[in-house]
Amino acid sequence: NAGVTQTPKFRVLKTGQSMTLLCAQDMNHEYMYWYRQDPGMGLRLIHYSVGEGTTAKGEVPDGYNVSRLKKQNFLLGLESAAPSQTSVYFCASSYREKTQYFGPGTRLLVL
Amino acid sequence: GENVEQHPSTLSVQEGDSAVIKCTYSDSASNYFPWYKQELGKRPQLIIDIRSNVGEKKDQRIAVTLNKTAKHFSLHITETQPEDSAVYFCAASAGGTSYGKLTFGQGTILTVHP
Repeated sequence: NAGVTQTPKFRVLKTGQSMTLLCAQDMNHEYMYWYRQDPGMGLRLIHYSVGEGTTAKGEVPDGYNVSRLKKQNFLLGLESAAPSQTSVYFCASSYREKTQYFGPGTRLLVL
Repeated sequence: GENVEQHPSTLSVQEGDSAVIKCTYSDSASNYFPWYKQELGKRPQLIIDIRSNVGEKKDQRIAVTLNKTAKHFSLHITETQPEDSAVYFCAASAGGTSYGKLTFGQGTILTVHP
């Protein structure tokens, strides 16, 4: 039982490049979330999903897209990376409104 | 939307002392208040949570108190140990159509000196 996993662990992008972050969970959770963590600002919700095929915007959605084609996977996409998107990205999942379990994070540096 | 303020931003204590971290929230509909601990380079992990029908909850050296009237909740750590050193985040979530979305405080860096 791996819990929540994220791929990749670390990535360097140039401005304008695109990439996809993958989150996978094996706990059969309905809800999944993407957060970004910046120094002094806590964690901020980017997008979330309450089930396969559904997604919704969080607090800071601009510049990101998401997809939930399978219940166990939640993808976060950056179409045209900007330096302001340099951050640590955490995925989380939960059984409905219960405890959220976080993945190990992805460090992204945009030059 | 919900706004969560957390204080202090840094807290330094001697081993064995108590530590208290306070959070206030703005949305009176919020009814779930978890606390997460994040060690350097690691993922946030839940240490304790409280729901709005309970005023206080304890788990060994950790306790959380909630005052819904004043819209604030606090984390209390007693008999602190060096391994308690980490960043602590409070969060708040409203029930129903919030779908479990959490609004986090800015975090408190706790340092416990041996």
